[in-house]
Amino acid sequence: DTGVSQNPRHKITKRGQNVTFRCDPISEHNRLYWYRQTLGQGPEFLTYFQNEAQLEKSRLLSDRFSAERPKGSFSTLEIQRTEQGDSAMYLCASSFRSDEQYFGPGTRLTVT
Amino acid sequence: AQKITQTQPGMFVQEKEAVTLDCTYDTSDQSYGLFWYKQPSSGEMIFLIYQGSYDEQNATEGRYSLNFQKARKSANLVISASQLGDSAMYFCAMREGELTGGGNKLTFGTGTQLKVEL
Repeated sequence: DTGVSQNPRHKITKRGQNVTFRCDPISEHNRLYWYRQTLGQGPEFLTYFQNEAQLEKSRLLSDRFSAERPKGSFSTLEIQRTEQGDSAMYLCASSFRSDEQYFGPGTRLTVT
Repeated sequence: AQKITQTQPGMFVQEKEAVTLDCTYDTSDQSYGLFWYKQPSSGEMIFLIYQGSYDEQNATEGRYSLNFQKARKSANLVISASQLGDSAMYFCAMREGELTGGGNKLTFGTGTQLKVEL
């Protein structure tokens, strides 16, 4: 399978815990994006990398959120001190330059 | 103001019929791109079709076509010969700044749930 992969697919955590998600993009894609999708809504942009550089962050990305893309390959999204409002589907997408974005299956986070 | 508006929360269509899913957008950029994605119940977003604001022809991809009316700021998706497997949520999205290097993030609408019936 050469598509975008995300792990884990599901994560249940208690409020206040830290969580980390991983995204592996399509191998030749140099751009990687994170989106968040809540129930009944379309995805909302969180942040974007070109190679290893994080070039844009949404104001939705509070100080508790951090994303990295070391060596311009896979990316991680960490949420510290999770809150119930963080419960959502976290989607990763990748693209080659400004071509269309291909999405992974998402990580569904439930904060109890 | 909403940048992408999808006014149909749900639509039904009979198998083999055509269906149009509405999308209107709001931008002051001269260059932008419009996308449609399909999201089945499994959750993965599947790219369907792309229209650039500078494209003179309406985009087509197999059974999907995009009815682009720039003056009306609408980008409706037409699915011909609907199949049961087309049942899913459909999202319209826009990317601004296509030709000025700012075209990165997608802004999505709230989606239309399509149900194809026998």
